[in-house]
Amino acid sequence: DVKVTQSSRYLVKRTGEKVFLECVQDMDHENMFWYRQDPGLGLRLIYFSYDVKMKEKGDIPEGYSVSREKKERFSLILESASTNQTSMYLCASSLHTDRGNAFFGQGTRLTVV
Amino acid sequence: DAKTTQPTSMDCAEGRAANLPCNHSTISGNEYVYWYRQIHSQGPQYIIHGLKNNETNEMASLIITEDRKSSTLILPHATLRDTAVYYCIVSAPTDSWGKLQFGAGTQVVVTP
Repeated sequence: DVKVTQSSRYLVKRTGEKVFLECVQDMDHENMFWYRQDPGLGLRLIYFSYDVKMKEKGDIPEGYSVSREKKERFSLILESASTNQTSMYLCASSLHTDRGNAFFGQGTRLTVV
Repeated sequence: DAKTTQPTSMDCAEGRAANLPCNHSTISGNEYVYWYRQIHSQGPQYIIHGLKNNETNEMASLIITEDRKSSTLILPHATLRDTAVYYCIVSAPTDSWGKLQFGAGTQVVVTP
């Protein structure tokens, strides 16, 4: 069974902390994505990567960075967490040849206090 | 700007067919129609996609009008597990690297 695994289901961090959200996929997918989901705002794309060490900004990249050192792993970094980054974070991956068919992880619910 | 318009919510009786409409009147020639669903507290799940022909898989059927300005997702025999938010998305994968623009979707509630 194909899988996108996010390292934590729930996370509580303090304001100002550096936060790492990890995502691993086992499908050899080239593309990987980070979204956040907030009530009333839906899913919004933060960053995506179409290859190792490649990254592109999505719609709301401010306050975030990403790292993709290996094909299977895509990390989202909150350099200095703030309360407005409290959200559900969703990782996804897809093939170059089937880009619209994305597989999502279960999500990480991050609370910044 | 939203590229698709869906009803906010709809109810469906268990065992009956659920027909979920979507309007995408500004769809471009190279854009596909994708449907995803999101069950509460889970990540979105791909259901089906199509360009202009009708499509069917083990989960659902997708009917796209001839002018491609609207489509309908059909869940042939809805079960309680089909209760979810359903998203209709138009995307040209070759242009967008597979980025998906999710709208508000349709909250479908399947009742016994």
